[in-house]
Amino acid sequence: DIQMTQFPSSLSASVGDKVTITCRASHTISSHLSWYQQIPRKAPKLLIYGSSSLQTGVPSRFSGSGSGTDFTLTISSLQPEDFATYYCLQSYSTPRTFGQGTKVEIK
Amino acid sequence: QVQLQESGPGLVKPSQTLSLICAVSGGSINSADYYWSWIRQPPGKGLEWIGYIYYSGLTYYNPSLESRITITIDTSKNQFSLKLSSVTAADTAVYYCARVGRGTGVAAGKRGVFDYWGRGTVVTVSS
Repeated sequence: DIQMTQFPSSLSASVGDKVTITCRASHTISSHLSWYQQIPRKAPKLLIYGSSSLQTGVPSRFSGSGSGTDFTLTISSLQPEDFATYYCLQSYSTPRTFGQGTKVEIK
Repeated sequence: QVQLQESGPGLVKPSQTLSLICAVSGGSINSADYYWSWIRQPPGKGLEWIGYIYYSGLTYYNPSLESRITITIDTSKNQFSLKLSSVTAADTAVYYCARVGRGTGVAAGKRGVFDYWGRGTVVTVSS
């Protein structure tokens, strides 16, 4: 199985801050990585797919990059509605595996 | 707009079988470009992929659960289902269903991308 490691596991930031979350795969996964946002008690929501493609309707302050084993999700200017937990997911091979999540909290 | 809705018992006794249905609306489950998936999230924990099914009935299961899982599809009702046998307290979770792109046709570039999710249903395993 491909292990996905996210860091940090949590962070505190203020509205307007730039936030970067990293996801590292235990084996190369090309660009088969997507990012999801989960607000408490809600279903995950797709933000980024193919490592860097923005899902329709997602604000442009979200961006993704990386290939191979190292990937990042960046929020250019954190907004109040962005406080949530973020997960990466590899779709290079089965079983599909998620990172353990990064919780973004209000400073 | 595709919508998915999970349904099933919220409480299951240990050693019994958990059964859930995911009803799909706003799009056909009989599509060559998508898989249909189950994911779960134990309380306070992360997401775990359970498995998925293609409209033809082809399935892919997480090896960690494979011996206990059955996923089936009913294209006439536009729904798919999950059965998880011999449940224990460790199977207590929110169970989600989702649509997953195959990277073909209208889902080109979205291989393995979970683009639509249900709201989730809480299942508690307890006597």
